[in-house]
Amino acid sequence: AQKITQTQPGMFVQEKEAVTLDCTYDTSDQSYGLFWYKQPSSGEMIFLIYQGSYDEQNATEGRYSLNFQKARKSANLVISASQLGDSAMYFCAMIKVSGGYNKLIFGAGTRLAVHP
Amino acid sequence: NAGVTQTPKFQVLKTGQSMTLQCAQDMNHNSMYWYRQDPGMGLRLIYYSASEGTTDKGEVPNGYNVSRLNKREFSLRLESAAPSQTSVYFCASNPGTSAHNEQFFGPGTRLTVL
Repeated sequence: AQKITQTQPGMFVQEKEAVTLDCTYDTSDQSYGLFWYKQPSSGEMIFLIYQGSYDEQNATEGRYSLNFQKARKSANLVISASQLGDSAMYFCAMIKVSGGYNKLIFGAGTRLAVHP
Repeated sequence: NAGVTQTPKFQVLKTGQSMTLQCAQDMNHNSMYWYRQDPGMGLRLIYYSASEGTTDKGEVPNGYNVSRLNKREFSLRLESAAPSQTSVYFCASNPGTSAHNEQFFGPGTRLTVL
């Protein structure tokens, strides 16, 4: 069965420093997608970055990059130059195509606190 | 485009009451989803609909029913609310069946069952 594991319930980082949020996944599928979402205290789910299983390059979106190590089944999110507004919950998720439908499987999340 | 909209934003129910959570998307997406998020946890799939007229169970369907009214709308009904259904409910939509499509989320409905 597919599973996403985020082993860091909480992380702290100093403003302007970089931080890595860990995510490992388990799947036997060849084609899958990995996503990171941010959930601020206001509650909405904000898409950050996507990595496809066949993508050879690590995905980047502004200050966000995804360190994709397929053999290790890890998809860590790297936030460079942290800002106070980055304080939020971060969820790693995998999209599984099943029977013609696709559905997201979420990890438990990591709460990031950025200190000034 | 409004994206994915949900109503209501907040709701308080008594045990045994019923209610319907509404969701609509204006992106012409085929697939729609209902998730619940409990404190300290990620989202768990309740029901999904790959296309108009089809629905199927997700990971935690007990106590819920859904209706895909048309391509735009996907509602979630609690027939007899229980305190265990206190949660934040998210609706999402997705263009199709590829593993590489992002899901777009609504703002959520915070439900409390007393």
